[in-house]
Amino acid sequence: EIVLTQSPATLSLSPGERATLSCRASQSVSSYLAWYQQKPGQAPRLLIYDASNRATGIPARFSGSGSGTDFTLTISNLEPEDFGVYYCQQRSVWVTFGGGTKVGIK
Amino acid sequence: QVQLQESGPGLVTPSQTLSLICTVTGGSINSDGFLWTWIRQHPGKDLEWIGYIFSSGGAYHNPSLKSRLAISVDTSRNQFSLNLNSVTAADTAIYYCARLHCSNSCSQGGGFDIWGQGTLVTVSS
Repeated sequence: EIVLTQSPATLSLSPGERATLSCRASQSVSSYLAWYQQKPGQAPRLLIYDASNRATGIPARFSGSGSGTDFTLTISNLEPEDFGVYYCQQRSVWVTFGGGTKVGIK
Repeated sequence: QVQLQESGPGLVTPSQTLSLICTVTGGSINSDGFLWTWIRQHPGKDLEWIGYIFSSGGAYHNPSLKSRLAISVDTSRNQFSLNLNSVTAADTAIYYCARLHCSNSCSQGGGFDIWGQGTLVTVSS
């Protein structure tokens, strides 16, 4: 099973700041990595697929990069609605999710 | 606009079978380029992929659940379903159905672009 390790576990930032979230895979997943945002009581929402492609309707302040084993989700100019838990997910070998990074208000 | 909705019992007795249905509205389950998926989330914890199925019926299961799991599709009703047998308290979770939007191919990549609201299933006597 491919294990995805996200860091940091928690990130405290203010609106307007930049958030940088990391996801590391236990073996190469090529570019087959997606990112999701989840808020309490809601289903996850797809942000990025195939490492760097924004999903439909996702603002340009969300960007993804990386390939192989190291990936980054960057949220530039944080908005109040961006706070929540962010998960990475691979679909190179079956499907697995990372443990999440909680982005909270500082 | 495609929407997904889970339905089924919220309480299942240990050792019995957990059965859920996902109804697809606003579009056809027969559309090309999608895999119809079950995912669960133990309360406050990680997401776990259960399995997915093509509208043609080909299904892929999480190896850790495969021996207890069946996923099927009913294109006439625009639904797909999950059956997980011999459940224990460890199967208590929020169960989501979701649509995987394939990118270049359906063998790898893509993303889960549409999700149901989720349904909490508790395994308890």
